[in-house]
Amino acid sequence: DTEVTQTPKHLVMGMTNKKSLKCEQHMGHRAMYWYKQKAKKPPELMFVYSYEKLSINESVPSRFSPECPNSSLLNLHLHALQPEDSALYLCASGRWGGETQYFGPGTRLLVL
Amino acid sequence: DAKTTQPNSMESNEEEPVHLPCNHSTISGTDYIHWYRQLPSQGPEYVIHGLTSNVNNRMASLAIAEDRKSSTLILHRATLRDAAVYYCILRRPSNTGKLIFGQGTTLQVKP
Repeated sequence: DTEVTQTPKHLVMGMTNKKSLKCEQHMGHRAMYWYKQKAKKPPELMFVYSYEKLSINESVPSRFSPECPNSSLLNLHLHALQPEDSALYLCASGRWGGETQYFGPGTRLLVL
Repeated sequence: DAKTTQPNSMESNEEEPVHLPCNHSTISGTDYIHWYRQLPSQGPEYVIHGLTSNVNNRMASLAIAEDRKSSTLILHRATLRDAAVYYCILRRPSNTGKLIFGQGTTLQVKP
């Protein structure tokens, strides 16, 4: 199973809402990633987790809060987002130190 | 992180070979060259990677210039399904697996 799943596929939220994005993989990968992709732009790295610990935070605003509760799951908690945070949020996983990342299909987020 | 330069867009006819160029003149000796592609409405997917020698796999071939300042991704027979944005990425060996995407090349395949 080489699949990374993400839920929900689409999400609409207001600026005062709290919501969470979920990512799951069962490939035994110990590195997991969140990327943000605006329309017509390349993905940009947000966070890297290794062995369930936050390894890299690319200066992401605190209204985005990642969490890795176990080796298969990665969450992104959203609170007080701005309309400019509307984007496709991609999750990826890979072996720690490995060459290949496997991406999920993304969650398309709209902030009103 | 070293930068890559790719054409914004390219066109190809179905069942013909496609050569997608990438310039990376500031590449360091330890940087690997990775290619990912992103089909419409999907996440990126790994295509191929290499260091110095040319590489082949079931999806594509990667030709690396002798001075490593450029590389070319070769799709041997383009299909409509190959229409995607192709990203050339330089990755320094490290445990983080960090990928820095450039702007990519949008490939259009005509029937």
